[in-house]
Amino acid sequence: QITLKESGPTLVKPTQTLTLTCTFSGFSLNTTGVGVGWIRQPPGKALEWLTLIYWGDDKRHSPSLKSRLTITMDTSKNQVVLTMTNMDPVDTGTYYCAHTGNYGSGSLDFWGQGTLVTVSS
Amino acid sequence: SYVVTQPPSVSVAPGQTATITCGGDNIRYKSVHWYRQKPGQAPILVVYDDRARPSGIPERISGANSGDTATLTIRGVEAGDESDYYCQVWDSSFDQYVFGPGTKVTVL
Repeated sequence: QITLKESGPTLVKPTQTLTLTCTFSGFSLNTTGVGVGWIRQPPGKALEWLTLIYWGDDKRHSPSLKSRLTITMDTSKNQVVLTMTNMDPVDTGTYYCAHTGNYGSGSLDFWGQGTLVTVSS
Repeated sequence: SYVVTQPPSVSVAPGQTATITCGGDNIRYKSVHWYRQKPGQAPILVVYDDRARPSGIPERISGANSGDTATLTIRGVEAGDESDYYCQVWDSSFDQYVFGPGTKVTVL
Protein backbone atom coordinates (compact mmCIF):
# COMPACT_ATOMS: atom_id res chain seq x y z
CA GLN A 1 0.00 0.00 0.00
CA ILE A 2 1.48 3.31 -1.12
CA THR A 3 1.10 6.29 1.17
CA LEU A 4 2.63 9.75 1.21
CA LYS A 5 2.44 12.51 3.79
CA GLU A 6 3.64 16.09 3.64
CA SER A 7 5.05 17.93 6.63
CA GLY A 8 6.49 21.35 7.28
CA PRO A 9 5.60 24.83 8.46
CA THR A 10 2.09 26.16 8.07
CA LEU A 11 3.22 29.78 8.12
CA VAL A 12 6.23 31.40 6.51
CA LYS A 13 7.16 35.05 6.17
CA PRO A 14 7.73 36.76 2.84
CA THR A 15 11.29 36.32 1.50
CA GLN A 16 11.84 33.26 3.70
CA THR A 17 12.64 29.80 2.37
CA LEU A 18 10.02 27.07 2.60
CA THR A 19 11.12 23.52 3.33
CA LEU A 20 8.60 20.69 3.04
CA THR A 21 9.18 16.99 3.56
CA CYS A 22 7.30 14.16 1.89
CA THR A 23 7.55 10.92 3.84
CA PHE A 24 6.37 7.88 1.94
CA SER A 25 5.91 4.15 2.31
CA GLY A 26 4.99 1.24 0.09
CA PHE A 27 7.60 1.92 -2.59
CA SER A 28 11.26 2.71 -3.02
CA LEU A 29 12.99 5.50 -4.88
CA ASN A 30 15.64 2.95 -5.77
CA THR A 31 13.17 1.32 -8.17
CA THR A 32 13.49 2.08 -11.87
CA GLY A 33 10.77 4.37 -13.15
CA VAL A 34 9.60 5.61 -9.78
CA GLY A 35 9.38 9.28 -8.95
CA VAL A 36 7.94 11.70 -6.40
CA GLY A 37 6.64 15.09 -7.39
CA TRP A 38 5.32 18.23 -5.75
CA ILE A 39 2.16 20.00 -6.83
CA ARG A 40 0.55 23.05 -5.26
CA GLN A 41 -2.89 24.63 -5.32
CA PRO A 42 -3.68 28.19 -4.30
CA PRO A 43 -7.02 28.54 -2.50
CA GLY A 44 -9.84 28.16 -4.98
CA LYS A 45 -7.50 27.74 -7.93
CA ALA A 46 -6.10 25.02 -10.15
CA LEU A 47 -3.34 22.52 -9.58
CA GLU A 48 0.18 23.62 -10.50
CA TRP A 49 3.05 21.17 -10.92
CA LEU A 50 6.31 22.28 -9.31
CA THR A 51 9.01 19.63 -9.49
CA LEU A 52 9.71 15.92 -9.56
CA ILE A 53 12.58 13.62 -8.70
CA TYR A 54 13.06 10.16 -10.15
CA TRP A 55 15.06 7.16 -9.05
CA GLY A 56 18.71 7.80 -9.84
CA ASP A 57 18.31 11.45 -8.77
CA ASP A 58 16.98 12.61 -12.14
CA LYS A 59 15.09 15.87 -11.58
CA ARG A 60 12.57 18.03 -13.40
CA HIS A 61 11.39 21.51 -12.49
CA SER A 62 8.68 23.89 -13.59
CA PRO A 63 10.44 26.31 -15.95
CA SER A 64 8.70 29.30 -14.38
CA LEU A 65 9.84 28.41 -10.85
CA LYS A 66 13.08 26.60 -11.56
CA SER A 67 15.31 29.28 -10.05
CA ARG A 68 13.52 29.00 -6.70
CA LEU A 69 13.14 25.23 -6.39
CA THR A 70 15.31 22.46 -5.05
CA ILE A 71 14.25 18.84 -4.68
CA THR A 72 16.27 16.15 -2.95
CA MET A 73 15.69 12.60 -1.84
CA ASP A 74 16.87 10.45 1.04
CA THR A 75 16.22 6.85 0.11
CA SER A 76 17.28 5.58 3.53
CA LYS A 77 14.56 7.64 5.18
CA ASN A 78 11.99 7.29 2.36
CA GLN A 79 11.75 11.05 2.12
CA VAL A 80 11.73 13.72 -0.55
CA VAL A 81 12.40 17.32 0.43
CA LEU A 82 11.21 20.44 -1.41
CA THR A 83 12.76 23.82 -0.81
CA MET A 84 11.37 26.99 -2.32
CA THR A 85 13.21 30.25 -1.82
CA ASN A 86 12.00 33.83 -1.61
CA MET A 87 8.44 33.00 -0.62
CA ASP A 88 5.71 35.50 -1.46
CA PRO A 89 2.04 35.74 -0.44
CA VAL A 90 1.08 34.44 -3.91
CA ASP A 91 2.78 31.18 -2.97
CA THR A 92 0.09 30.56 -0.37
CA GLY A 93 -1.71 27.30 -0.98
CA THR A 94 -1.91 23.59 -0.36
CA TYR A 95 1.23 21.67 -1.28
CA TYR A 96 0.92 18.02 -2.27
CA CYS A 97 3.47 15.35 -2.94
CA ALA A 98 2.58 12.48 -5.26
CA HIS A 99 4.01 9.21 -6.60
CA THR A 100 4.54 8.24 -10.19
CA GLY A 101 5.57 4.77 -11.27
CA ASN A 102 6.17 5.63 -14.90
CA TYR A 103 9.15 7.71 -15.94
CA GLY A 104 8.36 10.66 -18.18
CA SER A 105 4.71 10.89 -19.10
CA GLY A 106 3.43 8.88 -16.17
CA SER A 107 0.41 9.74 -14.13
CA LEU A 108 0.50 10.74 -10.48
CA ASP A 109 -1.25 7.76 -9.06
CA PHE A 110 -0.96 8.28 -5.31
CA TRP A 111 -1.16 11.61 -3.51
CA GLY A 112 -0.52 12.83 -0.01
CA GLN A 113 -3.26 14.64 1.88
CA GLY A 114 -1.58 17.98 1.31
CA THR A 115 -0.34 20.65 3.66
CA LEU A 116 -1.55 24.25 3.70
CA VAL A 117 1.19 26.85 3.64
CA THR A 118 0.37 30.49 4.29
CA VAL A 119 2.84 33.21 3.39
CA SER A 120 2.27 36.27 5.51
CA SER A 121 4.19 38.70 7.66
CA SER B 1 5.09 25.68 -23.33
CA TYR B 2 2.21 23.31 -23.98
CA VAL B 3 -1.23 24.63 -23.06
CA VAL B 4 -4.34 22.59 -22.31
CA THR B 5 -7.83 24.00 -22.03
CA GLN B 6 -10.92 22.80 -20.19
CA PRO B 7 -14.42 24.25 -19.87
CA PRO B 8 -14.82 25.92 -16.48
CA SER B 9 -18.01 24.08 -15.70
CA VAL B 10 -20.32 21.28 -16.78
CA SER B 11 -23.79 20.72 -15.40
CA VAL B 12 -25.60 17.43 -15.71
CA ALA B 13 -28.76 15.84 -14.34
CA PRO B 14 -28.52 12.67 -12.28
CA GLY B 15 -28.41 9.57 -14.44
CA GLN B 16 -27.26 11.47 -17.50
CA THR B 17 -23.83 11.62 -19.10
CA ALA B 18 -21.19 14.24 -18.32
CA THR B 19 -18.54 14.94 -20.92
CA ILE B 20 -15.44 16.92 -19.96
CA THR B 21 -13.01 17.99 -22.65
CA CYS B 22 -9.30 18.70 -22.52
CA GLY B 23 -7.99 20.55 -25.54
CA GLY B 24 -4.43 20.86 -26.77
CA ASP B 25 -2.46 20.99 -29.98
CA ASN B 26 -2.21 17.41 -31.30
CA ILE B 27 -3.02 16.13 -27.85
CA ARG B 28 -3.63 12.72 -29.41
CA TYR B 29 0.13 12.23 -29.39
CA LYS B 30 0.29 12.67 -25.63
CA SER B 31 -0.79 10.48 -22.75
CA VAL B 32 -3.62 12.23 -20.95
CA HIS B 33 -4.41 11.61 -17.31
CA TRP B 34 -7.51 12.72 -15.40
CA TYR B 35 -7.94 13.54 -11.72
CA ARG B 36 -10.99 14.13 -9.60
CA GLN B 37 -10.86 16.44 -6.60
CA LYS B 38 -13.57 17.02 -4.05
CA PRO B 39 -13.50 20.13 -1.83
CA GLY B 40 -10.89 19.89 0.89
CA GLN B 41 -9.47 16.64 -0.45
CA ALA B 42 -6.43 15.61 -2.43
CA PRO B 43 -6.89 14.75 -6.11
CA ILE B 44 -7.32 11.12 -7.07
CA LEU B 45 -6.43 9.56 -10.40
CA VAL B 46 -9.50 8.37 -12.30
CA VAL B 47 -8.10 7.74 -15.81
CA TYR B 48 -4.51 7.34 -16.98
CA ASP B 49 -2.88 6.91 -20.36
CA ASP B 50 -5.97 8.29 -22.13
CA ARG B 51 -8.38 5.50 -21.25
CA ALA B 52 -7.08 3.16 -18.54
CA ARG B 53 -8.77 3.08 -15.14
CA PRO B 54 -7.00 2.51 -11.82
CA SER B 55 -8.45 -0.21 -9.66
CA GLY B 56 -11.55 0.93 -7.85
CA ILE B 57 -12.67 3.37 -10.52
CA PRO B 58 -16.05 2.27 -11.97
CA GLU B 59 -16.51 1.40 -15.63
CA ARG B 60 -19.00 4.23 -16.07
CA ILE B 61 -15.97 6.57 -16.06
CA SER B 62 -14.06 6.42 -19.33
CA GLY B 63 -11.52 8.37 -21.34
CA ALA B 64 -10.71 8.93 -24.98
CA ASN B 65 -8.17 10.94 -26.93
CA SER B 66 -8.11 11.94 -30.57
CA GLY B 67 -7.18 14.93 -32.64
CA ASP B 68 -6.84 18.00 -30.48
CA THR B 69 -9.25 16.87 -27.76
CA ALA B 70 -9.17 14.35 -24.96
CA THR B 71 -12.44 13.51 -23.26
CA LEU B 72 -13.51 12.21 -19.88
CA THR B 73 -17.00 10.72 -19.88
CA ILE B 74 -19.02 9.92 -16.81
CA ARG B 75 -22.13 7.85 -17.50
CA GLY B 76 -25.03 7.53 -15.10
CA VAL B 77 -23.93 10.58 -13.14
CA GLU B 78 -24.48 10.43 -9.41
CA ALA B 79 -24.44 13.13 -6.76
CA GLY B 80 -21.06 11.83 -5.63
CA ASP B 81 -19.54 12.69 -9.01
CA GLU B 82 -19.82 16.38 -8.22
CA SER B 83 -16.17 17.44 -8.15
CA ASP B 84 -13.48 19.36 -9.93
CA TYR B 85 -11.82 17.39 -12.72
CA TYR B 86 -8.33 18.10 -14.05
CA CYS B 87 -6.58 16.74 -17.10
CA GLN B 88 -2.80 16.47 -17.16
CA VAL B 89 -0.16 15.77 -19.78
CA TRP B 90 3.61 15.66 -20.01
CA ASP B 91 5.12 18.48 -22.06
CA SER B 92 8.17 16.80 -23.53
CA SER B 93 9.43 20.03 -25.10
CA PHE B 94 9.89 21.66 -21.71
CA ASP B 95 10.15 18.53 -19.56
CA GLN B 96 7.23 19.47 -17.38
CA TYR B 97 3.88 18.25 -16.18
CA VAL B 98 1.01 20.44 -17.35
CA PHE B 99 -2.39 20.53 -15.66
CA GLY B 100 -5.52 21.88 -17.24
CA PRO B 101 -7.42 24.69 -15.49
CA GLY B 102 -10.02 22.26 -14.20
CA THR B 103 -13.73 21.69 -14.81
CA LYS B 104 -16.30 21.88 -12.07
CA VAL B 105 -18.98 19.25 -12.55
CA THR B 106 -22.29 20.13 -10.96
CA VAL B 107 -25.03 17.55 -10.57
CA LEU B 108 -28.38 19.28 -10.93
